[in-house]
Amino acid sequence: GDSVTQMEGPVTLSEEAFLTINCTYTATGYPSLFWYVQYPGEGLQLLLKATKADDKGSNKGFEATYRKETTSFHLEKGSVQVSDSAVYFCALTELYGGATNKLIFGTGTLLAVQP
Amino acid sequence: DGGITQSPKYLFRKEGQNVTLSCEQNLNHDAMYWYRQDPGQGLRLIYYSQIVNDFQKGDIAEGYSVSREKKESFPLTVTSAQKNPTAFYLCASRGGWDQPQHFGDGTRLSIL
Repeated sequence: GDSVTQMEGPVTLSEEAFLTINCTYTATGYPSLFWYVQYPGEGLQLLLKATKADDKGSNKGFEATYRKETTSFHLEKGSVQVSDSAVYFCALTELYGGATNKLIFGTGTLLAVQP
Repeated sequence: DGGITQSPKYLFRKEGQNVTLSCEQNLNHDAMYWYRQDPGQGLRLIYYSQIVNDFQKGDIAEGYSVSREKKESFPLTVTSAQKNPTAFYLCASRGGWDQPQHFGDGTRLSIL
């Protein structure tokens, strides 16, 4: 079945450092890909998305490019801030015969940014 | 503002007791979902509903039940058959088939 694999955390960075969180996927069709962020004690917020190969999703300085050839959707940010500290989830969704599009999540990566 | 409201934020269950978690949305979304989150794990799908009066089991439905009598509401009941209910429960909804899911702020359930 479809699956998402994320790099394990925690990822600890100093403020203004470059961030990469790796995400790869397996899917039988043509999934849409997402990054969600979860701050402590809260629900998930959509960070960015990409719906087809070579699309680049971007938001709040974060970017991710849908790479079909490497089945990857790595999250990057050029300069992280303390306020970026959170858990980041990579996810995919795919229509199954038109029935539904369930989200399939990776296990999440904790990012801790130190001042 | 439109959004998803989950209540209560914290809930405690006694042994042998059923408890119900509320999820209400005013986004006019057709599809709604319930997920369970355990520490260090991703989210796992419990139940989902594509339309009023219809719902399907997700990957871990045993010990849970739902109803979808109104478009805005999708309550989840954690029954006494669920032997390990302690977790963070998240409700989500979605508009069109190609739209992302929107999440509530979650309910944390613990055992007394």
